[in-house]
Amino acid sequence: EVQLVESGGGLVQPGRSLRLSCAASGFTFDDYAMHWVRQAPGKGLEWVSGISWNSGSIGYADSVKGRFTISRDNAKNSLYLQMNSVRAEDMALYYCAKGYTSGWHTLVDYWGQGTLVTVSS
Amino acid sequence: EIVLTQSPATLSLSPGERATLSCGASQRVSSRYLAWYQQKPGLAPSLLIYDASSRATGIPDRFSGSGSGTDFTLTISRLEPEDSAVYYCQQYGSSPLTFGGGTKVQIK
Repeated sequence: EVQLVESGGGLVQPGRSLRLSCAASGFTFDDYAMHWVRQAPGKGLEWVSGISWNSGSIGYADSVKGRFTISRDNAKNSLYLQMNSVRAEDMALYYCAKGYTSGWHTLVDYWGQGTLVTVSS
Repeated sequence: EIVLTQSPATLSLSPGERATLSCGASQRVSSRYLAWYQQKPGLAPSLLIYDASSRATGIPDRFSGSGSGTDFTLTISRLEPEDSAVYYCQQYGSSPLTFGGGTKVQIK
């Protein structure tokens, strides 16, 4: 059974940094791309970033480009999102999501339950 | 960036009725790389349809997807009470990946 467990969310002040983590199990982690997708309270889904199976190809939404960095550690079956210069509009539930194929230009076939990032001074 | 526009915003139908949800793209979606997801309140989304018309594992055949180019449709042939949810389309053919704004399906 595929399991994706996010952690690292919490309260962060505008302009500060936060690092999200995702522990994956139940599938061969280094065969698949991974994504971060977020959902602001009461709003729709927004793709944030994707990373290929070997970290060789990465993509970002324009809204986070230059501020957020996605990475993965295949030895630890883990995905990360380093969030710098956090803004009020970054407040959302952040989902870790498994890609359907190895390249990041792919759909999501499994989702975690999310970790909440709250931005407030 | 490909902008996906979903309509209607809300759909209110009775059990057994047919639901037709639309997803329009601002540019052609390459290779029909379009997916549909269902999200029930308080839960993470789940995959329904990929490559515009292929059902994901375990999805009942009352759910079907169609379309190509810039116009895509999700059809629920006979609504069940458990189909009450928000439905999102997503394109994954062009960077950045984008989602539509969602259609809320309410069962009367």
